[in-house]
Amino acid sequence: DIVMTQTPLSLSVTPGQPASISCKSSQSLLHSDGKTYLFWYLQKPGQAPQLLIYQVSNRFSGVPDKFSGSGSGTDFTLRISRVEADDVGVYYCVQSIQLPYTFGQGTKLEIK
Amino acid sequence: QVQLQQWGAGLLKPSETLSLTCAVYGGSFSAYYWSWLRQAPGKGLEWIGEIHHSGITNYNPSLKSRVTISMDTSKNQFSLNLPSVTAADTAVYYCAGYGGDYGFWYFALWGRGTLLTVSS
Repeated sequence: DIVMTQTPLSLSVTPGQPASISCKSSQSLLHSDGKTYLFWYLQKPGQAPQLLIYQVSNRFSGVPDKFSGSGSGTDFTLRISRVEADDVGVYYCVQSIQLPYTFGQGTKLEIK
Repeated sequence: QVQLQQWGAGLLKPSETLSLTCAVYGGSFSAYYWSWLRQAPGKGLEWIGEIHHSGITNYNPSLKSRVTISMDTSKNQFSLNLPSVTAADTAVYYCAGYGGDYGFWYFALWGRGTLLTVSS
């Protein structure tokens, strides 16, 4: 199985400040089709996860441009340019290059 | 708009069988891989397995020996069966639809989750 390791596991951020989450995979997520199968989800309190970023750096429909993803191979980063109260929740990276799909442990973002 | 509604027992004793069902409303049952995932207290998400309307099933090797995912296409429903539960199976269980609506595949649809507590 591909192991996904996220850091940090928790973040406390002042509103308006940036935040960054790292995700490392135990194997490259670059497929022979040229795409990298790394996704980011946000699970807000009491809700199911929602897609933020697909294939490393593409914002999903309706996701504000304050969210950005970057990285390649095995190292990836999610950045929030200006954290707001609505961004609170747990952020997960997940790989879908091979089964079983595996998730990072999650990073809990809270507001200071 | 496609919606998922899931149901099943929320409290089991050790050695009992978990049975959950998820109904798909308002969309194509054949367009998705129907998955089950779980989230243990304080832990991240774990993918359990999936089924496609063609009959294809895939399971997480960590649970493959215990779990069965089945479907009833006449009712647009799919189910999870996990026998011999232990405290380690205590978790919120989600049904989800893995789809390719936008030209890439992702967990597009989610049920509300069912909290399973295993306790004697």
